[in-house]
Amino acid sequence: GAGVSQSPRYKVAKRGQDVALRCDPISGHVSLFWYQQALGQGPEFLTYFQNEAQLDKSGLPSDRFFAERPEGSVSTLKIQRTQQEDSAVYLCASSLVTLGGYEQYFGPGTRLTVT
Amino acid sequence: GENVEQHPSTLSVQEGDSAVIKCTYSDSASNYFPWYKQELGKRPQLIIDIRSNVGEKKDQRIAVTLNKTAKHFSLHITETQPEDSAVYFCAASGGGSNYKLTFGKGTLLTVNP
Repeated sequence: GAGVSQSPRYKVAKRGQDVALRCDPISGHVSLFWYQQALGQGPEFLTYFQNEAQLDKSGLPSDRFFAERPEGSVSTLKIQRTQQEDSAVYLCASSLVTLGGYEQYFGPGTRLTVT
Repeated sequence: GENVEQHPSTLSVQEGDSAVIKCTYSDSASNYFPWYKQELGKRPQLIIDIRSNVGEKKDQRIAVTLNKTAKHFSLHITETQPEDSAVYFCAASGGGSNYKLTFGKGTLLTVNP
């Protein structure tokens, strides 16, 4: 079946612009995660949704970052007034269950470059 | 919070040799330890995972061992092949309500033919 998809795959933004990154999780997956992966580093947790509820946003680096999942399926990560340090790959992952300890399926990521 | 250290950062082996990657974690409450493989420009893909009630798990040429007392776990790849070349990440999570994965910095494995 279809895996996790993300769009766009690549985004170039000028500093100060707003961007919106989309994630389509695997159908029926309750849990949705956003991670940020800097070049040469492992993914770092940003935020977690259980259905439409955002239960954890402790990893969001600033109040310029905002995520939503209004109908419990597609999610959008929005970054306002982008800065150069926001350049990274943004990965979305979904999981069938709400508990930890189960596989998270990753999307291909959106590579954001802020110039 | 959890902290995961991964070594080595790069590893080069000859085809057919074994490769071992080691990780340590800090939070004794962590109980789920997946390993992901990420090829250049691709998504991370789970290759094997282990839970804290198990000491070792094997899947064909890949095995993972866990030492809860020492808080470290290792990935073993035997009979390496060029297609094993990729970046490998270890991760840890607490399970239950502690769902987020904390990743190591990755190991670039190169298998030379």
